[in-house]
Amino acid sequence: GENVEQHPSTLSVQEGDSAVIKCTYSDSASNYFPWYKQELGKRPQLIIDIRSNVGEKKDQRIAVTLNKTAKHFSLHITETQPEDSAVYFCAASSGLTGGFKTIFGAGTRLFVKA
Amino acid sequence: ETGVTQSPTHLIKTRGQQVTLRCSSQSGHNTVSWYQQALGQGPQFIFQYYREEENGRGNFPPRFSGLQFPNYSSELNVNALELDDSALYLCASTFLPGQGAHGYTFGSGTRLTVV
Repeated sequence: GENVEQHPSTLSVQEGDSAVIKCTYSDSASNYFPWYKQELGKRPQLIIDIRSNVGEKKDQRIAVTLNKTAKHFSLHITETQPEDSAVYFCAASSGLTGGFKTIFGAGTRLFVKA
Repeated sequence: ETGVTQSPTHLIKTRGQQVTLRCSSQSGHNTVSWYQQALGQGPQFIFQYYREEENGRGNFPPRFSGLQFPNYSSELNVNALELDDSALYLCASTFLPGQGAHGYTFGSGTRLTVV
């Protein structure tokens, strides 16, 4: 079945450094790739997304890249801040408009040390 | 109320019992997906409802069932509860089909404990 693998499971960086989280997906029909941030005890919140016809997207300190051929996509956070500490989930969606089935990775716990 | 709301927030049930969880979708959204999130893990897709019909299902047994109502709210029903069903159940809404994919808006979840 469909699968999304996410690495690393835990990531610790110094404030101001960059953080990179990588994901791979198995379903070649996937066409939409969102990223969610979940703070402790809170709901997941969409932070950025990318569609299959785009290779890169940036929003301030956050950027995502997509390699459809290799079925890889990554999240890049620059100039990390303590408030970036949270669990980050990648996801892959397939279907007519990407909403049919969204499969999540297992998550990356990011610690940003002040 | 424009966000996704779930009820109840916490629930304790006994093994073998049945449970119903409820979700009101965000205003303007017509699609609801349900996820099970065990502690320290990613959300696992249970199923999605669109136009009051199941629109995709993950690897969950038939004792997990659902409904969507004309106002796009939804219920998740779990029969014959097992200890492993203890988890956070998340409801997420979005709009389909739209002009492209849209991310989910999640509710705060229902924490189910089966004893």
